[in-house]
Amino acid sequence: QKEVEQDPGPLSVPEGAIVSLNCTYSNSAFQYFMWYRQYSRKGPELLMYTYSSGNKEDGRFTAQVDKSSKYISLFIRDSQPSDSATYLCAMSAGSGNTPLVFGKGTRLSVIA
Amino acid sequence: DAEITQSPRHKITETGRQVTLACHQTWNHNNMFWYRQDLGHGLRLIHYSYGVHDTNKGEVSDGYSVSRSNTEDLPLTLESAASSQTSVYFCASSGPGTGLNTIYFGEGSWLTVV
Repeated sequence: QKEVEQDPGPLSVPEGAIVSLNCTYSNSAFQYFMWYRQYSRKGPELLMYTYSSGNKEDGRFTAQVDKSSKYISLFIRDSQPSDSATYLCAMSAGSGNTPLVFGKGTRLSVIA
Repeated sequence: DAEITQSPRHKITETGRQVTLACHQTWNHNNMFWYRQDLGHGLRLIHYSYGVHDTNKGEVSDGYSVSRSNTEDLPLTLESAASSQTSVYFCASSGPGTGLNTIYFGEGSWLTVV
């Protein structure tokens, strides 16, 4: 079993839809959870960062962590064509000197 | 503005040749990483460094080497390029002031081995 599982998609939704992106993981030591967005032919950029369980909201984006289920989610409200990208989850057990473990990424297309 | 730059952005090389991809960051980050990204595999860690003269192997280190002689640079060397090393390579860094778990990526280097 891979440490982090993420459905690669592709996921296609109409503009304005609510998007749900998810990752599951097996390592119960993971405490730090991140979502990165990657546009085509660009490097990934940090979108959301959360520590331990709970929710975090930033504009149209909400990151949710359920450590009991080893499940994290990213919700995008009122999706826009500019949200079309690959979204990668990443997580870490330690603060600092522990390399991140990435999911394979989910490719999202928002259709106008 | 501080940034992380990779060069070359695109390169075609022949099997068996030595290739070096450069990575330079101006954030004064201690931590630097090299990943490769392939369809179906996502981002895979090749090598990483937590400071000058420190290097560590990642998940897919065979055929690659790095050295860290200063804080700003972590060049990635392919000792004898193979077709299986055709990929896009991303350098990244992290450090105090930006959140130690939040890493920042360069724009990528597209390498084709023929």
